[in-house]
Amino acid sequence: GNSVTQMEGPVTLSEEAFLTINCTYTATGYPSLFWYVQYPGEGLQLLLKATKADDKGSNKGFEATYRKETTSFHLEKGSVQVSDSAVYFCALSGRSGGYQKVTFGIGTKLQVIP
Amino acid sequence: KAGVTQTPRYLIKTRGQQVTLSCSPISGHRSVSWYQQTPGQGLQFLFEYFSETQRNKGNFPGRFSGRQFSNSRSEMNVSTLELGDSALYLCASSTGNSYEQYFGPGTRLTVT
Repeated sequence: GNSVTQMEGPVTLSEEAFLTINCTYTATGYPSLFWYVQYPGEGLQLLLKATKADDKGSNKGFEATYRKETTSFHLEKGSVQVSDSAVYFCALSGRSGGYQKVTFGIGTKLQVIP
Repeated sequence: KAGVTQTPRYLIKTRGQQVTLSCSPISGHRSVSWYQQTPGQGLQFLFEYFSETQRNKGNFPGRFSGRQFSNSRSEMNVSTLELGDSALYLCASSTGNSYEQYFGPGTRLTVT
């Protein structure tokens, strides 16, 4: 079946540091890939997405590139802010068991300190 | 456009009781998915409904059930509650053709 692997964290960074959260996946066919963010006490929000190989999704300074050859979709941001502290989920949508479904990673908690 | 709404936001129940949670999707969205979120297990998929039919199901016992109404609103029911059912239950809606999901704020269920 499909699966998504990401570091659990927490990842602790100082403000303005560079962020990378790794995400790798296993899937058949050509899944779409997503990053979601969950702020404390809230549901998940779609942060960015990519639907085919070599696509780059970007939003709010975050970027991720769909790399089919390495089955990866790493999240990056050049300069994090305290307000970026949240849990980040990598996800894919693809066929599994005959149906299209969404599979989430475990989530990576990011703490940004001033 | 109004977002996904879930009611109630917080719930405290006793072991053995049953509970019903409600989710209203974004207008025009026909797919509603339910997830259980716990610190140890992360996000676990419960089931997905599309046009009043269950289209996908995760690996949860039969105590967890759901349904979807003709207006796309969905409910999930948990019978014979156990302490381990304490979790944040998230509902997500999508058009059903794209799997870009929009989440509600969740219902925090505590079982004592």
